[in-house]
Amino acid sequence: DQQVKQNSPSLSVQEGRISILNCDYTNSMFDYFLWYKKYPAEGPTFLISISSIKDKNEDGRFTVFLNKSAKHLSLHIVPSQPGDSAVYFCAASFPNRDDKIIFGKGTRLHILP
Amino acid sequence: DTAVSQTPKYLVTQMGNDKSIKCEQNLGHDTMYWYKQDSKKFLKIMFSYNNKELIINETVPNRFSPKSPDKAHLNLHINSLELGDSAVYFCASSQGYQGAFFGQGTRLTVV
Repeated sequence: DQQVKQNSPSLSVQEGRISILNCDYTNSMFDYFLWYKKYPAEGPTFLISISSIKDKNEDGRFTVFLNKSAKHLSLHIVPSQPGDSAVYFCAASFPNRDDKIIFGKGTRLHILP
Repeated sequence: DTAVSQTPKYLVTQMGNDKSIKCEQNLGHDTMYWYKQDSKKFLKIMFSYNNKELIINETVPNRFSPKSPDKAHLNLHINSLELGDSAVYFCASSQGYQGAFFGQGTRLTVV
């Protein structure tokens, strides 16, 4: 039973345009959400996070939006750059800081020249 | 039909013990990883293996030793466990440009 879902396995976006990666979750007890970026043959690196008490968090070209009522979050990358081509993982965790992160299956983003 | 499976899911052990966490993937992937989840939910890569060969070996104590008997398995052995080793450890696998698949994590508690 997948608690964190990334329904698009891949996405292609023109360089300079906005990339929007989506993530849905099923458990309303999640209180912290994270996005990771992963290049081939490397480990995921932390990108940006958001607490459930917020609906938006921005860091440079990256913005994460959280819609708690819809149990949906999205990562916006503006403008998209070639180096953004990677796999992006959405993840969520519970209020207990010791709890495990629950990962989605990832979305591969391909930035077109 | 689990793609990446880790065992055990929970492990409670005393300081000074030696323990292993096992990881198996049935996806035919060439690359496998071990990560440690820190208190801020960040993932820190520990090791990466490609076709049974060590590719990435981040700064971790020598007490941590990965073992890859074959491409489908990457086990993590920890000697002389310390309190600070308590964490969640994730195994993952990937293949080229495909996304990585994560195991469910192993919560290690050292008492």
